[in-house]
Amino acid sequence: GESVGLHLPTLSVQEGDNSIINCAYSNSASDYFIWYKQESGKGPQFIIDIRSNMDKRQGQRVTVLLNKTVKHLSLQIAATQPGDSAVYFCAEFTYGGATNKLIFGTGTLLAVQP
Amino acid sequence: NAGVTQTPKFQVLKTGQSMTLQCAQDMNHNSMYWYRQDPGMGLRLIYYSASEGTTDKGEVPNGYNVSRLNKREFSLRLESAAPSQTSVYFCASSEYAGGGYTFGSGTRLTVV
Repeated sequence: GESVGLHLPTLSVQEGDNSIINCAYSNSASDYFIWYKQESGKGPQFIIDIRSNMDKRQGQRVTVLLNKTVKHLSLQIAATQPGDSAVYFCAEFTYGGATNKLIFGTGTLLAVQP
Repeated sequence: NAGVTQTPKFQVLKTGQSMTLQCAQDMNHNSMYWYRQDPGMGLRLIYYSASEGTTDKGEVPNGYNVSRLNKREFSLRLESAAPSQTSVYFCASSEYAGGGYTFGSGTRLTVV
């Protein structure tokens, strides 16, 4: 079945370093991919998305890379800050008329050490 | 900016009790969703409403019902709560199916 998974359940980085969070997906027909950040006790918050016809997209301090050949997605956070500490989810979306749905991965905990 | 508002924030139920989780959004979004989140797992879609007047099952609909009361409100009902329904429930909305989702802050439900 369709699935979205993460390679590393926990990532610990030093403040100021760059962080890379990885995600593998299985549905090659997915239309776009989204990264969410979830802080403790809060709902997921949209970070950045990327369409399936793109391989890179940049936001403020974040970059998402998409490698469709190996079905791999990554989120790069530059100059990681303590406020970046959270669980990060990748999600894939497939248009299907009545069956449009967003499938989430299990999440990676990013811990930023001061 | 309220965004997506969920009530209640916390709830404890006894097995067999019923309750309704409320969700309202003030962004004039067309689509609304209910997810559950269990420890160590990603969010799983329970039900969604692509537009006012329509509802559809997601990945894990058993034991739940929904009502899209109007464009703003989408409620989730547990008719006979079971311990397996202990979870954190998130409501979300998007301008259209597939658009960027805005999530509420969640309802933590415990069934004993």
